[in-house]
This record gives sequence, C-alpha cells and structure tokens, in this order.
Amino acid sequence: AQTVTQSQPEMSVQEAETVTLSCTYDTSESNYYLFWYKQPPSRQMILVIRQEAYKQQNATENRFSVNFQKAAKSFSLKISDSQLGDTAMYFCACMEYGNKLVFGAGTILRVKS
Amino acid sequence: NAGVTQTPKFQVLKTGQSMTLQCAQDMNHNSMYWYRQDPGMGLRLIYYSASEGTTDKGEVPNGYNVSRLNKREFSLRLESAAPSQTSVYFCASSGGVSRIETQYFGPGTRLLVL
Repeated sequence: AQTVTQSQPEMSVQEAETVTLSCTYDTSESNYYLFWYKQPPSRQMILVIRQEAYKQQNATENRFSVNFQKAAKSFSLKISDSQLGDTAMYFCACMEYGNKLVFGAGTILRVKS
Repeated sequence: NAGVTQTPKFQVLKTGQSMTLQCAQDMNHNSMYWYRQDPGMGLRLIYYSASEGTTDKGEVPNGYNVSRLNKREFSLRLESAAPSQTSVYFCASSGGVSRIETQYFGPGTRLLVL
C-alpha cells in the first residue's frame, strides 16, 4: 500500500525568501504520479504542481519547483520568492493506477512580512 | 464553468440523524471521489466512482453510502451520524481518459455531529 510522509508539521519563511517542503513516499508501482496541493485558510484544495514518475526532469510552475529523487522516493517542493499569499497548508500526495490519491499529513507554511 | 460544487457548506447534526452531501461537476469528468479531512491528517478516501454506474470503497467507507446519480453528480449519505464523523468532506473529480488523472476538488462541507 502507498504511504506518504511529510516530516515537517510547520514551517515559516520570510517574504521573498526560498523555502523547501519535504515529502517521502512508498509505493510498489513503477508508474505513478506525485502531487503537491495547497490548502489556504479558505480550505479550497488547489493543485500546485504534479510530477510523472517516468519523467526524469523535475516539474516547475512559475515560483514552484520540485526535486524528485525516484530512487530515494523523495519529492520535495521548493517555493522561491515567497509571498504572503503562499501561507497555507501544503499536502504531498501519490497516485497509482486506479486514480486513488494517498495524502501526507500536511505541512503548515507561514510566510512572514 | 463552476468546476466542482458541494452543498451544503456547513451542517450540524445530532447523533443518529441522517443526511446527504451533494456534489456536482461540470467538467464532463468520468471519475468522482469523496474524501474526509480530520485535524492533523491528510485527506482520506471514503468512496469513489470510476465511471457512471460504478462505485467502490476507499480507505474509510464504514458508516457511509454513495450514489452516482449520473455523470455529473455523486452524493454521500450518512445514515446514522456519529460524533466520529465530524470532519470536513471534500468531493473531487478527474477526467478518467488517461490511466492517471489530476483530481480537482470542491470547496468542502464542514460537518459537526453532536
């Protein structure tokens, strides 16, 4: 069975600085997807970025990028030039065939001015 | 294009009462999902529907039933609510054309069972 672990319950970063959120996962599948979702205080789940396991290249979306280490089963999220609007809970998730997502427990990120 | 909508936004129930949470999507997605979110935990899958006419159990199905009414709508029913079902419930949908699809979430329903 899949498991997803986020070892940092809370993190904080100064505005305009860079922060990295950690995620490790376990799966027996060779083909899977990894996701980072953001949940602001409104509770809406917003897709930040996704990575296909078969792709070597790390995904990027504007200020958000991932460091995908397949052998180590690690999938960290880097946020550059942090903004106050980035304050949210961030969830790492893994999806195998069958489209069932398994989520980590989340990391609360606070961006300070 | 509203995406995924959920009703109600907030509900208070007494133990033993029943209710149905509604979910609809207008993205023509094949697959739909129900999750619950509890403090200190990520979202956990309750039930899902890979396509119209099919439903399957997820990680935490006990105490719930679902109905895939048509391609757009997927409802979650609590027949006899218990305090342990106090949670935030999210509905999601995905395209289902590829083997693995990104899921898009509704705004959530906050349920309090007294």
